Amino acid sequence: DAGVTQSPTHLIKTRGQQVTLRCSPISGHKSVSWYQQVLGQGPQFIFQYYEKEERGRGNFPDRFSARQFPNYSSELNVNALLLGDSALYLCASSYGPNTDTQYFGPGTRLTVL
Amino acid sequence: GESVGLHLPTLSVQEGDNSIINCAYSNSASDYFIWYKQESGKGPQFIIDIRSNMDKRQGQRVTVLLNKTVKHLSLQIAATQPGDSAVYFCAENIPMKTSYDKVIFGPGTSLSVIP
Repeated sequence: DAGVTQSPTHLIKTRGQQVTLRCSPISGHKSVSWYQQVLGQGPQFIFQYYEKEERGRGNFPDRFSARQFPNYSSELNVNALLLGDSALYLCASSYGPNTDTQYFGPGTRLTVL
Repeated sequence: GESVGLHLPTLSVQEGDNSIINCAYSNSASDYFIWYKQESGKGPQFIIDIRSNMDKRQGQRVTVLLNKTVKHLSLQIAATQPGDSAVYFCAENIPMKTSYDKVIFGPGTSLSVIP
């Protein structure tokens, strides 16, 4: 079975641009969470979606938004990119909404120049 | 504030020895703890978890110990192998009064296995 997949693998943008990252959860999983991982640090929670509804939001500015589609895939959008947005963006899926084990994708490496 | 921290940012062990990675957490309401392994260029991989009503849980070559009195979590890896070299993160799940739980990751410990 395929694990969590993310696209693209790598992305280079310039300040002020907008970016969309995509995630496909494990088949049967209904929850998708997004994390930002800055080099040398642990992942920081951005969003969680369950059954297409936002269930949680971390301490990130409104430039960050996300959505989940009927097939449970998800997109993370970041507007007006800043240099500090450079990070590995991780998607994790789980079957249930809360404390179920999360399975992470390989991440999308975003570099903002 | 809420935080999950690791005592040792780096750890080097000889192949075949046992490894112990420590983690301190500050939120007494945390009800679930997870250890992840992250290899270079990959996403975190689930290793083992433990709920707050347990003190110990064993997996294949790994054991997690939870001491709620001192808010301490540890991961023990038996007979450490070169393939165990990675960054290890502990994470705590904090139940919230709102509709979702909050997961906080620690900063990570880099484990290097010396052949």
